[in-house]
Amino acid sequence: RKEVEQDPGPFNVPEGATVAFNCTYSNSASQSFFWYRQDCRKEPKLLMSVYSSGNEDGRFTAQLNRASQYISLLIRDSKLSDSATYLCVVTQGSVVGKLIFGQGTELSVKP
Amino acid sequence: SAVISQKPSRDICQRGTSLTIQCQVDSQVTMMFWYRQQPGQSLTLIATANQGSEATYESGFVIDKFPISRPNLTFSTLTVSNMSPEDSSIYLCSVSQKIDSPLHFGNGTRLTVT
Repeated sequence: RKEVEQDPGPFNVPEGATVAFNCTYSNSASQSFFWYRQDCRKEPKLLMSVYSSGNEDGRFTAQLNRASQYISLLIRDSKLSDSATYLCVVTQGSVVGKLIFGQGTELSVKP
Repeated sequence: SAVISQKPSRDICQRGTSLTIQCQVDSQVTMMFWYRQQPGQSLTLIATANQGSEATYESGFVIDKFPISRPNLTFSTLTVSNMSPEDSSIYLCSVSQKIDSPLHFGNGTRLTVT
């Protein structure tokens, strides 16, 4: 079993659609959780941290369920510029820099 | 967040040679890490670059193959030694400014070994 598993992609959606990504992780010692975005041939960029209380940043909402070891990302009103690969990322333990990456879910938003 | 500069941005090398990748940060950072992203794969942590001491390597990575230096809080190097085509990857420097701050990545070094 992979340490971090994400929905297999790609997701192809029209502009304006709502899309949800799911992620599960196996290490119960993981303390911090993130969603990163990676554009083709570029470095990953932090999209948002994920907290147990849930957090929202504009059109993006992230949720964490520690009991189920489950993380989600919801994108509302998709834009063409949202097209990228979304990486679910958890820490190995408490050290933020020691990250375990999911394989990524590719999103393609079409006009 | 810190500005992270990696050099070179890409290189094509012959097998058996070595390449040193530099990572420069515009401010002092607590933690620096080196990651690898093989073609079609996600990122894997190679090692933690420790300032003034030997790096801490993850399982599957060894100092002889990937020597790392970190002489101060703003600079680190990763050397890929005795390269083979299997070392063709993107190598990424990453930093965290505080122990509980999210990680940010440099622009990466795209290495092709022929």
